[in-house]
Amino acid sequence: DAMVIQNPRYQVTQFGKPVTLSCSQTLNHNVMYWYQQKSSQAPKLLFHYYDKDFNNEADTPDNFQSRRPNTSFCFLDIRSPGLGDTAMYLCATSRDGGTNEKLFFGSGTQLSVL
Amino acid sequence: GEDVEQSLFLSVREGDSSVINCTYTDSSSTYLYWYKQEPGAGLQLLTYIFSNMDMKQDQRLTVLLNKKDKHLSLRIADTQTGDSAIYFCAESPPSGGSYIPTFGRGTSLIVHP
Repeated sequence: DAMVIQNPRYQVTQFGKPVTLSCSQTLNHNVMYWYQQKSSQAPKLLFHYYDKDFNNEADTPDNFQSRRPNTSFCFLDIRSPGLGDTAMYLCATSRDGGTNEKLFFGSGTQLSVL
Repeated sequence: GEDVEQSLFLSVREGDSSVINCTYTDSSSTYLYWYKQEPGAGLQLLTYIFSNMDMKQDQRLTVLLNKKDKHLSLRIADTQTGDSAIYFCAESPPSGGSYIPTFGRGTSLIVHP
């Protein structure tokens, strides 16, 4: 089945130790998104790629970076994680960013910063 | 305040109807969405409604849209224990040529026997 796969499912890291989360998709979608979801809060968009074009949200901390080496893969790098970065990180894709854009989500990576 | 607001919890008895409510802020949203998140899983699109419609029905699901009040609701008929999940409302206003959904905090639906 075509899908969005995130690895790892759970990630524990130490305060200040860089971490990379990965996302892959077999849907051949143009757009890939990273959302941060803290407990009982709305998923918050961090950034998205339209093909190779990177779009950062204005309030995304500089500590968060992303790479999309090809259509299928997208990475979220957190350079110096803080305790406040503990959250579920959701990757999603959509076909082409049009008006009725349905997002397909992975199962998420639960990140704990200790 | 939040752009999309939802109550956090709803508890219903199995077999009853559930109604989950949402208010949004941007009247330029062309489509409005309901996503469902089951435990340990990502969000999954449940249904959506075009902004010039008042109602959309899809099997047990009914979506009602009141554009004047910017109010969206999701009704689940004959609620089952398998419907227990978090339901997210989302608007998608145009911004710089894209229509990326903005989500609410989600309503946890608890279905008990």
